[in-house]
Amino acid sequence: AQSVTQLGSHVSVSEGALVLLRCNYSSSVPPYLFWYVQYPNQGLQLLLKYTSAATLVKGINGFEAEFKKSETSFHLTKPSAHMSDAAEYFCAVSPSGSARQLTFGSGTQLTVLP
Amino acid sequence: GAVVSQHPSRVICKSGTSVKIECRSLDFQATTMFWYRQFPKKSLMLMATSNEGSKATYEQGVEKDKFLINHASLTLSTLTVTSAHPEDSSFYICSASGGNENYGYTFGSGTRLTVV
Repeated sequence: AQSVTQLGSHVSVSEGALVLLRCNYSSSVPPYLFWYVQYPNQGLQLLLKYTSAATLVKGINGFEAEFKKSETSFHLTKPSAHMSDAAEYFCAVSPSGSARQLTFGSGTQLTVLP
Repeated sequence: GAVVSQHPSRVICKSGTSVKIECRSLDFQATTMFWYRQFPKKSLMLMATSNEGSKATYEQGVEKDKFLINHASLTLSTLTVTSAHPEDSSFYICSASGGNENYGYTFGSGTRLTVV
């Protein structure tokens, strides 16, 4: 069984400030972890994924996340927020291995203030 | 690589009619496809998992007779909402996995279904 908890349904940051979106997971088997971004009325775009290689994962658009097994966390960060980063962000987990369905967190709406 | 095309992007239909949504993998063979439903301001809920050539596996609480899933080829899966009602209005998203982890978990752009 797996689950994902995203702390904070809404996060606001100023443009240029650090972005930190929190994700904690629970999994009975070694997990794969993902961060997706969703813009209004669009599908999900993969930002980055952890698949048991390097624990610090770099993704697109300057985002990165660190897998911390001891904390069961996979927080998403970006050093400097842009206005274009405003969107909904989802953390997801799946059992390691291919072709497994994802379990999503409840999402975090990121607002970037000018 | 790893592009999933979903059509239509928006559809409005009358109550009682059926609507078909297509999900295609454009540059890889999708051995497994997943269908999700997303309610407004909510996360994605897995509806069913389909493997090419076999019957879909539905999640608990999802009516298999209402949400018909067909995965007849390695590049196409369809979701048909039968006898649609206003409560079926939602955002439906498919994702495809090719068995290769590099291509796993690619999502379509979603379909906004409105039943009037």
